[in-house]
Amino acid sequence: SQQGEEDPQALSIQEGENATMNCSYKTSINNLQWYRQNSGRGLVHLILIRSNEREKHSGRLRVTLDTSKKSSSLLITASRAADTASYFCATDAGNMLTFGGGTRLMVKP
Amino acid sequence: EAGVVQSPRYKIIEKKQPVAFWCNPISGHNTLYWYLQNLGQGPELLIRYENEEAVDDSQLPKDRFSAERLKGVDSTLKIQPAELGDSAVYLCASSLNKDEQYFGPGTRLTVT
Repeated sequence: SQQGEEDPQALSIQEGENATMNCSYKTSINNLQWYRQNSGRGLVHLILIRSNEREKHSGRLRVTLDTSKKSSSLLITASRAADTASYFCATDAGNMLTFGGGTRLMVKP
Repeated sequence: EAGVVQSPRYKIIEKKQPVAFWCNPISGHNTLYWYLQNLGQGPELLIRYENEEAVDDSQLPKDRFSAERLKGVDSTLKIQPAELGDSAVYLCASSLNKDEQYFGPGTRLTVT
């Protein structure tokens, strides 16, 4: 079973635009992580936000966490064609990551 | 630093045949994970090792799946016999601090 649910399931934007992906989950968590997966490859860790944090930045990435709504969002600013990939949120409720179904992002050059 | 190594990258077998996947984690990472990823879905945990001990194998279908990590380093995941529904990508990951996980490229299994 997958705790996290990403929204939208697919997103297509033009290079330079911002991309926002949302993740909702069901149970209390220690932290929430975002991973990227290029086609045919393994997952790459992007950013981790702990349950006591509300916002975190890393380069062109901005992650927010609202534990009262059990939701998180990932914003990619000034998108590039190389950002084309699937993005997964994963919740850690204690030594185990539970992944959502992912958002498939396509950035058109 | 070498990443997580998995082999083979691709495997095609007939149903009812056995198959094995191998994973070598990043040096020094004592936690190792095996995940199954179906097309268009996120990974699902099969088993987690702390050194050589399987500490979470509740999602591993034990009638046909088995795993081992004898010396607490590399690991093998086996399916015997394979079924059509086992076609998926099998991902291995390792971690040092139980926060960030490092994934290998996966083994894509096709059962015909």
